[in-house]
Amino acid sequence: EDQVTQSPEALRLQEGESSSLNCSYTVSGLRGLFWYRQDPGKGPEFLFTLYSAGEEKEKERLKATLTKKESFLHITAPKPEDSATYLCAVQAYGANSKLTFGKGITLSVRP
Amino acid sequence: NAGVTQTPKFQVLKTGQSMTLQCAQDMNHEYMSWYRQDPGMGLRLIHYSVGAGITDQGEVPNGYNVSRSTTEDFPLRLLSAAPSQTSVYFCASSYFAAVGEAFFGQGTRLTVV
Repeated sequence: EDQVTQSPEALRLQEGESSSLNCSYTVSGLRGLFWYRQDPGKGPEFLFTLYSAGEEKEKERLKATLTKKESFLHITAPKPEDSATYLCAVQAYGANSKLTFGKGITLSVRP
Repeated sequence: NAGVTQTPKFQVLKTGQSMTLQCAQDMNHEYMSWYRQDPGMGLRLIHYSVGAGITDQGEVPNGYNVSRSTTEDFPLRLLSAAPSQTSVYFCASSYFAAVGEAFFGQGTRLTVV
């Protein structure tokens, strides 16, 4: 059974204080790992896709990286508008295209 | 450009009542899915569809039915609502080749009393 564990559950940062969010996964043949952002009262919004170990993707202050066991979402010099819940999901080969999500990490950035 | 539209946004049901949550997308996506999101549980897959006329069960299908008669619409039916079905429901759509790059609706907050 595919499993995704995200840590920490919640993270509070001061504006400008860089940090990383962790997503550990167990999957029988990774087809892709995905990061989403979810604002309160809204649906998740797709951020990044990572396919293989060593791959990195960047968007503004966010950078996602992937190893064979985990992914990190690095946030550089965060701003209050980066406050949200960040979700990680995996898709395995031969899994009828289903996604398995982690429980999410709630990030709060104080001005 | 509407994307994924869910209706209603809020609903209160009495135990035993039935209802249908509506989901429509205008991006010609083959793949559509329904999730429920509960505190501390993350997103859990209820049912999904890889195209019109094809549906399958996800992780938590009991108490829910789906059908896919058109590419655009994927309604979720609650047969006999129970308090355990109190949750926020999200519909998502994507191209079959990019299931992980999904577009989500705004969600339906359902309370069963």
